[in-house]
Amino acid sequence: DAGVTQSPTHLIKTRGQQVTLRCSPKSGHDTVSWYQQALGQGPQFIFQYYEEEERQRGNFPDRFSGHQFPNYSSELNVNALLLGDSALYLCASSATIITPYNGYTFGSGTRLTVV
Amino acid sequence: TQLLEQSPQFLSIQEGENLTVYCNSSSVFSSLQWYRQEPGEGPVLLVTVVTGGEVKKLKRLTFQFGDARKDSSLHITAAQTGDTGLYLCAGYTGGFKTIFGAGTRLFVKA
Repeated sequence: DAGVTQSPTHLIKTRGQQVTLRCSPKSGHDTVSWYQQALGQGPQFIFQYYEEEERQRGNFPDRFSGHQFPNYSSELNVNALLLGDSALYLCASSATIITPYNGYTFGSGTRLTVV
Repeated sequence: TQLLEQSPQFLSIQEGENLTVYCNSSSVFSSLQWYRQEPGEGPVLLVTVVTGGEVKKLKRLTFQFGDARKDSSLHITAAQTGDTGLYLCAGYTGGFKTIFGAGTRLFVKA
């Protein structure tokens, strides 16, 4: 049973560019959440997608946007990249109805470096 | 603003020692999870606690949820080098969002 798959694993971009990160959730999961983890910090909530809609958003600017597809996979897009966007981007999947009890399954993340 | 504060931030101990790490908040959580994260990997769920005062054991790890559901602790007995990693607590508020603490980085020396 495949867990959460994220691609690419590593990415280097230049300031001002745009980036798209991809996530396939664990089989049976319908909800995808995206987190940003800076070096030495805990994950910070970006947003959550359920039924192809953004259900809740954290304290991130509009440069961060996302999408969820009918097969529950998801994309995170970041426009006008800043140096401060360099981080590990984590995708977490869950089954909405049991999230409080079962927590999240995380992917290994995409390491984004902005130069 | 909901915050989860973890302490200590960093802990270096010898193999065989016991340790406790803490997770505190002023907010009440519907549930609280503990994760362990190794370098270059995503966090892996260790346990979820739901009921105030609940205690769960996972081999040498003991997790406790505070009576008021605002805090939690993780106790490791006879630490092993394989316990090395970043321990994260995460609180579920019921509002479709789970917030994480900054973590406790544990290093167990052989």
